Amino acid sequence: DAGVIQSPRHEVTEMGQEVTLRCKPISGHDYLFWYRQTMMRGLELLIYFNNNVPIDDSGMPEDRFSAKMPNASFSTLKIQPSEPRDSAVYFCASSLGGGAGNEQFFGPGTRLTVL
Amino acid sequence: GQQVMQIPQYQHVQEGEDFTTYCNSSTTLSNIQWYKQRPGGHPVFLIQLVKSGEVKKQKRLTFQFGEAKKNSSLHITATQTTDVGTYFCAGFSGGYNKLIFGAGTRLAVHP
Repeated sequence: DAGVIQSPRHEVTEMGQEVTLRCKPISGHDYLFWYRQTMMRGLELLIYFNNNVPIDDSGMPEDRFSAKMPNASFSTLKIQPSEPRDSAVYFCASSLGGGAGNEQFFGPGTRLTVL
Repeated sequence: GQQVMQIPQYQHVQEGEDFTTYCNSSTTLSNIQWYKQRPGGHPVFLIQLVKSGEVKKQKRLTFQFGEAKKNSSLHITATQTTDVGTYFCAGFSGGYNKLIFGAGTRLAVHP
């Protein structure tokens, strides 16, 4: 079975450009999480969805960040406009039922560089 | 808000030596999970502890959950080069309804 799929794996863009990161969770998983990882701040939860509905977006840094989950098999994280401080590895993870405290399966991540 | 502290940040050992990382939460946890991230990779789930005082073993890895369910540890016996990576604890509290990750302990093993 395929794990969590993320695209692109690497993204290099210039400051001010829009960036869209994509995630396909494991089929049947009803929780989807977006994380950001940097050396300075570690692994931060940005937002998570349950059954396609955003439950907690308190980790979203600012209005430049937005996330959607139009259906159970697809989610996007958009940054508009991007800034150099957004450079990080963005992980998507999914989990199966039982609440937000279950084992999470992480995707390979998208390494974003904003010049 | 809920915080999960993890120490040490970095540990350098010789192959064959033991290694321990510690995790402390500011609040009582419903469960605690441990993940391993290899260099350049993504976090991979290792184990979940739920019960007060619980101890679980996976080969050379021993995981403990404190009696008060506010701390946990991961001990690796006789480290090998394959143990290299960053080990994260992640605490779940029903009150916050999300996993909070510690900062991780990066383990380097020298042959």
